[in-house]
Amino acid sequence: GAVVSQHPSRVICKSGTSVKIECRSLDFQATTMFWYRQFPKQSLMLMATSNEGSKATYEQGVEKDKFLINHASLTLSTLTVTSAHPEDSSFYICSAQPGGTYEQYFGPGTRLTVT
Amino acid sequence: SQQGEEDPQALSIQEGENATMNCSYKTSINNLQWYRQNSGRGLVHLILIRSNEREKHSGRLRVTLDTSKKSSSLLITASRAADTASYFCATDGATASYDKVIFGPGTSLSVIP
Repeated sequence: GAVVSQHPSRVICKSGTSVKIECRSLDFQATTMFWYRQFPKQSLMLMATSNEGSKATYEQGVEKDKFLINHASLTLSTLTVTSAHPEDSSFYICSAQPGGTYEQYFGPGTRLTVT
Repeated sequence: SQQGEEDPQALSIQEGENATMNCSYKTSINNLQWYRQNSGRGLVHLILIRSNEREKHSGRLRVTLDTSKKSSSLLITASRAADTASYFCATDGATASYDKVIFGPGTSLSVIP
């Protein structure tokens, strides 16, 4: 149980285009989902936290207009990287937290490369 | 911003030896968790220790938590080459509406066969 999927696992896009990454909790309902970014040989940096049905809360320094987060249902959150640039190339990881628990379950990550 | 620091940043040991990694954090927490990440892959949850617990075991893993010093340690006993990975601690502390989880910088562990 407690499986989280991400789609796509890898994506290459051209500079200036937008990319959508999906995060799904497959066998539980996630009231809260988190989005992280990880650059090579670095730790995970929390980008934003989304609660189902409300606006996402972004960490300091993360542009909300560039990284659009939608948590439309208790099993799906999406991150859209708008007008992507090469510096947005990174490993994006989501996690989902069932209601009433502290545990998070992580997706396998999405490798974004912007050319 | 990141909550904590991990020590050491990199650790290389021989198979069979024990590996100890430390994590420090700055603010009050509800829980502290340890995760493992193989190169370029997702995270695997290892163990969660609550703020009112001092020690927890899971197989070859032993985690301690000292809230007075705001630090935790992860001990892997009888290490194996397959334990080679990066290990992260993550702390969560409640904000007004949700639990925010912050990761430390991680320790890169290499276990030499």
